[in-house]
Amino acid sequence: AQTVTQSQPEMSVQEAETVTLSCTYDTSESDYYLFWYKQPPSRQMILVIRQEAYKQQNATENRFSVNFQKAAKSFSLKISDSQLGDAAMYFCAYSAGAQKLVFGQGTRLTINP
Amino acid sequence: EAGVAQSPRYKIIEKRQSVAFWCNPISGHATLYWYQQILGQGPKLLIQFQNNGVVDDSQLPKDRFSAERLKGVDSTLKIQPAKLEDSAVYLCASSLVVGLSGNTIYFGEGSWLTVV
Repeated sequence: AQTVTQSQPEMSVQEAETVTLSCTYDTSESDYYLFWYKQPPSRQMILVIRQEAYKQQNATENRFSVNFQKAAKSFSLKISDSQLGDAAMYFCAYSAGAQKLVFGQGTRLTINP
Repeated sequence: EAGVAQSPRYKIIEKRQSVAFWCNPISGHATLYWYQQILGQGPKLLIQFQNNGVVDDSQLPKDRFSAERLKGVDSTLKIQPAKLEDSAVYLCASSLVVGLSGNTIYFGEGSWLTVV
């Protein structure tokens, strides 16, 4: 079964600095997608960034970028120039085949002003 | 574009009572999901529909949970009888037809259930 592990329950960063959230996953599939979702206190899951496993180039969305290491099954999220609005729970997720999302346990990110 | 709509947003019930949650997915989205998120954990898939057929319900506690998606649009998730451990946020989500590359799954704001 596919599993997703986030080893950092909590992270904090100073406003305007850079922070990296870690994620590892386990799968026997060769074609899959990886995602980072943001969940503010309202609990709505908001897609931050998506990576397709067959693409070697790391995905980037404005201040958000990933470091995808397929052989190591590692998928970290880097947030540059952190803003107060970035404070939230961040979930790493995996999807293959039937498109079911499998989530990690989450990392709570705090931004210090 | 309207998002995934869910109701009610909040519900408090006593154990052994029943509750129902409603979800209206994004227009044109054939796939609908119900996730359960217990406090401090990541969401867990309860059931996945493709149109009005069930694709995956392997983690749905079928002795107390049921879900239906009549006419392939709206969906209802029911819990009867509720247990204390059912206290969670129930997230509905939708996506375009399974199999299209780059499918994004869009989530609603969730229905918060507290069982006392």
